Amino acid sequence: QMQLVESGGGVVQPGRSLRLSCVGSGFTFKNYGMHWVRQAPGKGLEWVAVITYDGSDKYYADSLKGRFIISRDNSRNTLYLEMNSLRPEDTARYYCARDLRQRWLQFALDIWGQGTMVAISS
Amino acid sequence: QSVLTQPPSASGTPGQRVTLSCSGSRSNMGSSIVNWYQQLPGTAPKLLIYSNSQRPSGVPDRFSGSKSGTSASLDISGLQSEDEAEYYCAAWDDSLNGYVFGTGTKVSVL
Repeated sequence: QMQLVESGGGVVQPGRSLRLSCVGSGFTFKNYGMHWVRQAPGKGLEWVAVITYDGSDKYYADSLKGRFIISRDNSRNTLYLEMNSLRPEDTARYYCARDLRQRWLQFALDIWGQGTMVAISS
Repeated sequence: QSVLTQPPSASGTPGQRVTLSCSGSRSNMGSSIVNWYQQLPGTAPKLLIYSNSQRPSGVPDRFSGSKSGTSASLDISGLQSEDEAEYYCAAWDDSLNGYVFGTGTKVSVL
């Protein structure tokens, strides 16, 4: 079945960096745009970033631009999120999600992983 | 604070119809398609409606969506206990140049 599995979360001190990974299976990963979405404890959803199917274009939430970097390795069916200069307010569960259409960004996220928890604390 | 506003809560009895609203502006709802997501307690979100009114395969037809101007609605007809969840609208925002989620509505089945 189609599946996304995130990893890389944990407890990190403020100011440090962390890289999250998301492995896709059960579908042709290289054909789909991929997103990261986060959710702080007890809060709503916040879109983080998206990368096109071939990695040629990337878009970020304004508030995160410059600190977070989205990338992918289609040979490994893997999506990444590099998070730098981490702050307590970055504490959240981070989900990766697939865009609905192949080779086109529709911004409808149809397959989601279970998420990986990131906690920023000294 | 999100640019898409949803009422924080809604409720109904089993079998009842519930309508959830999502209000935005010209830069998001007024110029972009709307999607709806359902998040059951303790689980990842699920795409419920895309392109304003389309249901992905497997979503019951008692869920329906519509959009008019800078507002959108999600109708749940024949409310069931398993519909207790948080519901989020979402759309692309031209001013923010990003995808935005609504504030979310928690639906309770009485």
